[in-house]
Amino acid sequence: NAGVTQTPKFQVLKTGQSMTLQCAQDMNHNSMYWYRQDPGMGLRLIYYSASEGTTDKGEVPNGYNVSRLNKREFSLRLESAAPSQTSVYFCASSEGPWDYQPQHFGDGTRLSIL
Amino acid sequence: DAKTTQPNSMESNEEEPVHLPCNHSTISGTDYIHWYRQLPSQGPEYVIHGLTSNVNNRMASLAIAEDRKSSTLILHRATLRDAAVYYCIPAGTYKYIFGTGTRLKVLA
Repeated sequence: NAGVTQTPKFQVLKTGQSMTLQCAQDMNHNSMYWYRQDPGMGLRLIYYSASEGTTDKGEVPNGYNVSRLNKREFSLRLESAAPSQTSVYFCASSEGPWDYQPQHFGDGTRLSIL
Repeated sequence: DAKTTQPNSMESNEEEPVHLPCNHSTISGTDYIHWYRQLPSQGPEYVIHGLTSNVNNRMASLAIAEDRKSSTLILHRATLRDAAVYYCIPAGTYKYIFGTGTRLKVLA
């Protein structure tokens, strides 16, 4: 079982460049999430999608946009990358609302912005 | 939002039980308590969750205080593969706050 698949696994960008991080899940989950994790820190929620067709801001949405392309796929876009966005990005999914449903995480995208 | 307090680090000997504490004194009455762990260079992995009563699964047990202001994750026999950062998360609907967790070191 693939679970949650993130691409790419590593990326280096220059300041001002744009890119899209891709995430796909094969568990038929309704809810999907994007987090970032800075060194030595816990994860912080960027955006989430409670169900197909909806997206909402999390704790740290500035500088990011998301698209819930279909039930399987949830992408994160950096329009103009900044060094402060250097981080490890994790995508997750859950069957339903996360208060009582476990989240399943991908292995992350390690993004460096020079 | 509920805040959590966990020890920064703990050590355990292999094959011995480990009790990982978490204080969440501001938890609301409807928040589930979730535990995740994160191995090096991997995404977090779900361990267990509960609301009021104690819970068991193949990975661990979760003991929740009667007043729900604290909980303890119990690994019955620690192995080297259990070395990870463990996060305690009071989970409200779409409010899921990861703290810095407890780094568990397992000694052979």
